[in-house]
Amino acid sequence: QKEVEQDPGPLSVPEGAIVSLNCTYSNSAFQYFMWYRQYSRKGPELLMYTYSSGNKEDGRFTAQVDKSSKYISLFIRDSQPSDSATYLCASYTGGFKTIFGAGTRLFVKA
Amino acid sequence: DAGVIQSPRHEVTEMGQEVTLRCKPISGHDYLFWYRQTMMRGLELLIYFNNNVPIDDSGMPEDRFSAKMPNASFSTLKIQPSEPRDSAVYFCASTSDRARNEQFFGPGTRLTVL
Repeated sequence: QKEVEQDPGPLSVPEGAIVSLNCTYSNSAFQYFMWYRQYSRKGPELLMYTYSSGNKEDGRFTAQVDKSSKYISLFIRDSQPSDSATYLCASYTGGFKTIFGAGTRLFVKA
Repeated sequence: DAGVIQSPRHEVTEMGQEVTLRCKPISGHDYLFWYRQTMMRGLELLIYFNNNVPIDDSGMPEDRFSAKMPNASFSTLKIQPSEPRDSAVYFCASTSDRARNEQFFGPGTRLTVL
């Protein structure tokens, strides 16, 4: 079992939809949780990060961590075609060894 | 800042050949990471350095893979001999203690081993 599991999709939604992307993890020691966005043929870029449990909002994006169920979520409101990308969740304990999920491919149709 | 620089961007080689991938981290960053990305296995950490010293190489798949960081502005990942299963996109990333929650990735090197 991988330490961070993520459904690879693809996920296809119409423009304006609310998107929910999810991951589960197995390592109870994970404290930091990130979402990276990767456009086609580019390197991943950090979208958001949270520490421990709770919610964090940044514009149309909300990251949510539930440590009791080991569940990580990213919500995108009013999705746009420019949001079409692969979204990778990631976690680490506090050192620098980051474990990434496989990534979910998202397509937002105009 | 130019960001993390990787070369070459594409590499096509034949099985058994030596392959060397290069990375220049962002100036001032003292952590450097090498990742491999495939459809089957996703993004995997191979090795990371701190102040040019390898800290964790547990992700290096086998002895055919080696990585060096001779100075703060240059690192190499070498595969010798290469095999078709090494075909993947290899990313280099860097960060610093102050920005530890964010790794800055290069554009990647797409390696194809025939």
